[in-house]
Amino acid sequence: ELKVEQNPLFLSMQEGKNYTIYCNYSTTSDRLYWYRQDPGKSLESLFVLLSNGAVKQEGRLMASLDTKARLSTLHITAAVHDLSATYFCAVAPYGGATNKLIFGTGTLLAVQP
Amino acid sequence: ETGVTQSPTHLIKTRGQQVTLRCSSQSGHNTVSWYQQALGQGPQFIFQYYREEENGRGNFPPRFSGLQFPNYSSELNVNALELDDSALYLCASSLGGAGEAFFGQGTRLTVV
Repeated sequence: ELKVEQNPLFLSMQEGKNYTIYCNYSTTSDRLYWYRQDPGKSLESLFVLLSNGAVKQEGRLMASLDTKARLSTLHITAAVHDLSATYFCAVAPYGGATNKLIFGTGTLLAVQP
Repeated sequence: ETGVTQSPTHLIKTRGQQVTLRCSSQSGHNTVSWYQQALGQGPQFIFQYYREEENGRGNFPPRFSGLQFPNYSSELNVNALELDDSALYLCASSLGGAGEAFFGQGTRLTVV
């Protein structure tokens, strides 16, 4: 059974600092997603990673995927308060024909001024 | 292009009652997936509908059921509500079963 773990669960950062969120998954997958969720809101798609070594960047966020290590990272550069939210990674089982995404527990990011 | 819309946004029901939640998929999408997100947790897959047929189901009891209509909109029905069914219910649409999922704003269900 596919399991997804994220760490840390909670991250308090100062503005301007860098940090990385880690997402480990237990079995082979061919699709990994990163989402952002603001309190009481829905999920906003950030990145879709489809192949080993994939790296995508948007603003202060950069995501990468290592399928051999079954690890994805979300790197935050020079954090700003607007990045405060909960971040989820989600993994689709390899070869699956559905969007039965398995989500991690989420990382609550709080950026302090 | 319209996004994924869900209704209602909030709902309060009594234990034992039945509830129907609705989802309109994004224009051009033919697949709808439903997720349950309890407070402080990640979303959990309930089931997916593709071309009006159930196409995959998570670990949810049969009292969770669904429908998809010819216009690809969908309903989630929950019978015999329990307190633990209180959660944010998210609908996601995609083009094909494995296409990228785009989520609606969710329905917050509270069971008292």
